[in-house]
This record gives sequence, structure tokens and C-alpha cells, in this order.
Amino acid sequence: AQSVTQLGSHVSVSEGALVLLRCNYSSSVPPYLFWYVQYPNQGLQLLLKYTTGATLVKGINGFEAEFKKSETSFHLTKPSAHMSDAAEYFCAVRLETGRRALTFGSGTRLQVQP
Amino acid sequence: GAGVSQSPSNKVTEKGKDVELRCDPISGHTALYWYRQSLGQGLEFLIYFQGNSAPDKSGLPSDRFSAERTGGSVSTLTIQRTQQEDSAVYLCASSPPPGNTEAFFGQGTRLTVV
Repeated sequence: AQSVTQLGSHVSVSEGALVLLRCNYSSSVPPYLFWYVQYPNQGLQLLLKYTTGATLVKGINGFEAEFKKSETSFHLTKPSAHMSDAAEYFCAVRLETGRRALTFGSGTRLQVQP
Repeated sequence: GAGVSQSPSNKVTEKGKDVELRCDPISGHTALYWYRQSLGQGLEFLIYFQGNSAPDKSGLPSDRFSAERTGGSVSTLTIQRTQQEDSAVYLCASSPPPGNTEAFFGQGTRLTVV
């Protein structure tokens, strides 16, 4: 079975500081990996995804994530936080075969302090 | 519209009543998912439809929950004899072929059982 662990339900950074949101997965086969963002009272929007190929993936709004198979991690980073980045971020995994539904982590709420 | 559409956006119902939640996926998307997001929780998988295949119902929490997808397009999630613990935001998503690697989410239906 696949699972996703997001370390830290709340993360607070200063505007301009590095953003690091952690995600570790458990899967018996190489998975597809995703980061979604949810702004208040809105649905989820895809930030970036890893399926195959380059392990460093760039997404929208300056975010990127690196797939590290040896660490079973897919941490999300952004060099410089902006006030508009305040939102909830969800890491998700999906197996290439078998069950195709996404399994989500419990989410990390990012606060950006002025 | 271009996105996944869910209706109603808000629903308040009395305990014990039945409710129906509707999802209109993006045209041409063959996969459709329902998730539940409770306050302060991650996303809980409910059910997954893929084309004409039998749906994956493994996430439905009880036999009070059911879903159907007519004509490979519109889906309805039905909750019978609602309970207060059913209060949550119900999110629908759809994915395009081939591979269905990206899920596009609707705005959700906020269900409150009083």
C-alpha cells in the first residue's frame, strides 16, 4: 500500500526566506508524485508533478521539488517566499499501475510573515 | 465551463436526510475521483471511476455512501441517512487520458449536517 507523510502541519517563514515543505512516501514500486496547493475556500491546484525523467521538477509560482528515490522523498522548495504563497500544500502519490487514485498527505499550512 | 464543476457549492441538511452531490468533469476526461476533506484533515479517497471499468469503491466509509457516473461523464455522490460526522467538503476531480497523470479539482461542495 502507498502512503504519504508530510512533516509539519504548520510552517511559518518570513517573506523572502527559503520555503521547505517535506514529503516522504511509502510505495512498493516507483510512484508518480505530486504537489498541490489549496488557497482558502478554493479547490486544489497542481503545483508540479514527477512521473519519469529528470528528478528535479519545476512548477508554477517558482516552486520546485526533487525526487530522491534513496530517501523516498519529494520535498517542495522555493528560494524566496512571497506573501501570496500562504496556503495549504498537499503532497500526493499515485502508483503507475494498479490503483490509480491519488493518496494525499495530511497537508502543511504555510504562513508567510511580513 | 473549462473546469470541473460541482453543485451545490454549499449544502445544509438535517441529520437523517439523504443528499446528492453532483460533479461535472472536464469534457473528454475519462477518470473521475471523489474525495472528502474534513476540517483540519487531509483528503480522504472515496471512489474512483475510469472509463467503462468497474469503479474502485474501496474508500467509501459505509454503505450509506454510493456514487454513480452516467454516460461516462456526470457523477453523483449520494449519502443516505446523513450523520453529523459526514460534515465535510466533498471534492471531485477528473483526469485526461492517456495515463491520467494529472487530476483537476473542482471547488468542492461544503456539506453541513445539523
